[in-house]
Amino acid sequence: QQQVKQSPQSLIVQKGGIPIINCAYENTAFDYFPWYQQFPGKGPALLIAIRPDVSEKKEGRFTISFNKSAKQFSLHIMDSQPGDSATYFCAASREYGNKLVFGAGTILRVKS
Amino acid sequence: DGGITQSPKYLFRKEGQNVTLSCEQNLNHDAMYWYRQDPGQGLRLIYYSQIVNDFQKGDIAEGYSVSREKKESFPLTVTSAQKNPTAFYLCASSQGASWPQHFGDGTRLSIL
Repeated sequence: QQQVKQSPQSLIVQKGGIPIINCAYENTAFDYFPWYQQFPGKGPALLIAIRPDVSEKKEGRFTISFNKSAKQFSLHIMDSQPGDSATYFCAASREYGNKLVFGAGTILRVKS
Repeated sequence: DGGITQSPKYLFRKEGQNVTLSCEQNLNHDAMYWYRQDPGQGLRLIYYSQIVNDFQKGDIAEGYSVSREKKESFPLTVTSAQKNPTAFYLCASSQGASWPQHFGDGTRLSIL
């Protein structure tokens, strides 16, 4: 009930491509779904987050798509750049941000 | 600059020793969290504290202890009872239980 499954484990795209990272959750009580970006040796940084009352949210080149009925959400990175190469984590929680449950992470490499 | 400071960046422990990881924040945040990150896994919650002098166990609290005597400080002690302490430890804070979490840059603990 607490698990968040993230795929793929790793992803390589060419510069300008649109990497897509997917997450699925089981607990229907989750009501907050953030994405974090982590560079080597650093802590995760909050990238973008969504609540289940909307199906899509965009911030710059980053877009979250949310499918409540399928219990899935995904991150799309438009016009990806080599500087986007990092590990991306999805997460979910009840009560908006408290006690986050994280996916296993996706290592993204954008080739120039 | 406001932020979360974790120290030291690297820490080595001998078998049978307790070791304490420091986490300080000057963001005036009420809530603080400790996570453990292992390769290929997402972050797992060890302990969290929503107010001073109060804290709760997370999903993997065994072998760890915390204190919250001051709002800005939330130290984590890895005791000798923790069977596999080698990991990357991340501290986070948020304005409250219902606010986004922001992370420090972590402490990497290794066993000699």
